[in-house]
Amino acid sequence: QKEVEQDPGPLSVPEGAIVSLNCTYSNSAFQYFMWYRQYSRKGPELLMYTYSSGNKEDGRFTAQVDKSSKYISLFIRDSQPSDSATYLCAMSAGGNKLVFGAGTILRVKS
Amino acid sequence: DAGVTQSPTHLIKTRGQQVTLRCSPKSGHDTVSWYQQALGQGPQFIFQYYEEEERQRGNFPDRFSGHQFPNYSSELNVNALLLGDSALYLCASSFSGSVGETQYFGPGTRLLVL
Repeated sequence: QKEVEQDPGPLSVPEGAIVSLNCTYSNSAFQYFMWYRQYSRKGPELLMYTYSSGNKEDGRFTAQVDKSSKYISLFIRDSQPSDSATYLCAMSAGGNKLVFGAGTILRVKS
Repeated sequence: DAGVTQSPTHLIKTRGQQVTLRCSPKSGHDTVSWYQQALGQGPQFIFQYYEEEERQRGNFPDRFSGHQFPNYSSELNVNALLLGDSALYLCASSFSGSVGETQYFGPGTRLLVL
């Protein structure tokens, strides 16, 4: 079993839809949770960063962490065609290596 | 403020050759991590360098080695290249004094082994 499992997609939604992206994990030591966005043939770009459980909002993006269920989510409101990319969840126990999910491909249709 | 930079952007090698990839961290960062990303997969941790020492290593063979210089830049070396080493190699930098040491990625070096 992988440490981090991510819904593979691909996910195709109409412009303006609310998008929900999810990951589950097995390692209780993870304390830091991140979402990265990666456009084709580019490096991952940090979108959201949260520590421990709770919600964090930044513009159209909301990250949720539920440590009791070992489940994290990223919500995108009013999705735009420019949001079309691969979304990677990543986690760490602090300071060292990030453990990534396999990524979810999102396509927002105009 | 320049972000993380990597060179070269693309590289083609043949099996058995050796390759060196380079990374300059974001200004103010002192820690460099390297990741390998195969097509359709998430990045896999290779190793991390801090204070010119390897601080942590992932599940990669000794053919993968690295170095960090006093100016915090870093190199990744891969010897005896295999076809399976074809991937996007990503460098990420972070600051050891920050909570959680958030990592910021460069654009990557795409390596093709023929």
